[in-house]
Amino acid sequence: AQSVAQPEDQVNVAEGNPLTVKCTYSVSGNPYLFWYVQYPNRGLQFLLKYITGDNLVKGSYGFEAEFNKSQTSFHLKKPSALVSDSALYFCAVRDDNNAGNMLTFGGGTRLMVKP
Amino acid sequence: DAGVIQSPRHEVTEMGQEVTLRCKPISGHDYLFWYRQTMMRGLELLIYFNNNVPIDDSGMPEDRFSAKMPNASFSTLKIQPSEPRDSAVYFCASRGEKWTQYFGPGTRLLVL
Repeated sequence: AQSVAQPEDQVNVAEGNPLTVKCTYSVSGNPYLFWYVQYPNRGLQFLLKYITGDNLVKGSYGFEAEFNKSQTSFHLKKPSALVSDSALYFCAVRDDNNAGNMLTFGGGTRLMVKP
Repeated sequence: DAGVIQSPRHEVTEMGQEVTLRCKPISGHDYLFWYRQTMMRGLELLIYFNNNVPIDDSGMPEDRFSAKMPNASFSTLKIQPSEPRDSAVYFCASRGEKWTQYFGPGTRLLVL
């Protein structure tokens, strides 16, 4: 079975500082990994994904994520946080060993960027 | 592309009434997903379709919930009768290439 964990309910960071939002996963095959962002009263918005290839994936709005197979992690990062990055972030996984087509989402991490 | 379209954006109804939520997926996407989001339970997958056929409805909470996809450009999620515990934000998503899902803006449902 595929699963994903976001160990932090909330991450606080000062504007201009680097940010990291953590995600770990569990699959039996190879993972397909995704990050989504949700702004207040909006739907989830796709940020980036890892399927194969380079372990460092670059996405929208200056975000990037690093796939680490040995640590089964896919942490979201940004070198310099903006107040406008404050939102709810979701990590999701699909196991390529799974014939289904669902993504399993984590519980979400609220990012608060303070001026 | 307009993205995934959902209507209504907000719905307030009284317990016992029928509620119908609507979704138009992105053209060309062959998978459609219905999710429910609450503070207590987070994001839950209710049901998904492939080429208009329901594939997995194991997340549908009760028989009061039903979903249909009569054609590639339209799906409905119906709750009959509605109850206060159904209050949530309901999202529709369609799947593009490489399993990437694209979400609609959601329908915020309040059952009084």
